Amino acid sequence: GENVEQHPSTLSVQEGDSAVIKCTYSDSASNYFPWYKQELGKGPQLIIDIRSNVGEKKDQRIAVTLNKTAKHFSLHITETQPEDSAVYFCAASRDNYGQNFVFGPGTRLSVLP
Amino acid sequence: GAVVSQHPSRVICKSGTSVKIECRSLDFQATTMFWYRQFPKQSLMLMATSNEGSKATYEQGVEKDKFLINHASLTLSTLTVTSAHPEDSSFYICSAKAIGQGSNSPLHFGNGTRLTVT
Repeated sequence: GENVEQHPSTLSVQEGDSAVIKCTYSDSASNYFPWYKQELGKGPQLIIDIRSNVGEKKDQRIAVTLNKTAKHFSLHITETQPEDSAVYFCAASRDNYGQNFVFGPGTRLSVLP
Repeated sequence: GAVVSQHPSRVICKSGTSVKIECRSLDFQATTMFWYRQFPKQSLMLMATSNEGSKATYEQGVEKDKFLINHASLTLSTLTVTSAHPEDSSFYICSAKAIGQGSNSPLHFGNGTRLTVT
């Protein structure tokens, strides 16, 4: 089955700097990769996603890159702000229909003012 | 759009009692909903897949008689923790995918339920 690894587990950056979180997956059949942000005591919220036919996607300060050959994808946050502080989870679709996701272990991002 | 409402947000119960958690898709219909459990500082662990009008599919190691799932309509799934024990204390989260969404489309999550069993 699918296995998703995520690094780093914790990340601290100064406000205004960039943050990068990397994930790898094992199942070459996976073809959908969402990123979720989870604030304390809340459910995960989708922030960006990418499908396997695209190598990069950007939405304002957030971007995701995908390398299917190497089976890894990354989240890039530029000009970080204190409100970006949260736990971020990457995920990969577990089957060809993308109904079930396998989540990475999460990255706790702290943006220091 | 794509709002999932989960209730209650917090519940405290005594050992041996049962607790029901509701998950509703407010502005879309979902034939499939998912229930997760999350321990402190850990990732989401899929417990079961809830299918409207049929039995839920449980992940390996999850007791179906312990965690009863009912997906009575296209907008409501419930998780009942039966005969709760302190080790059942956790953060439970549901998610749903809208009907008609492509095969690779996002899950929408509720805000979770913090269960504490005393």
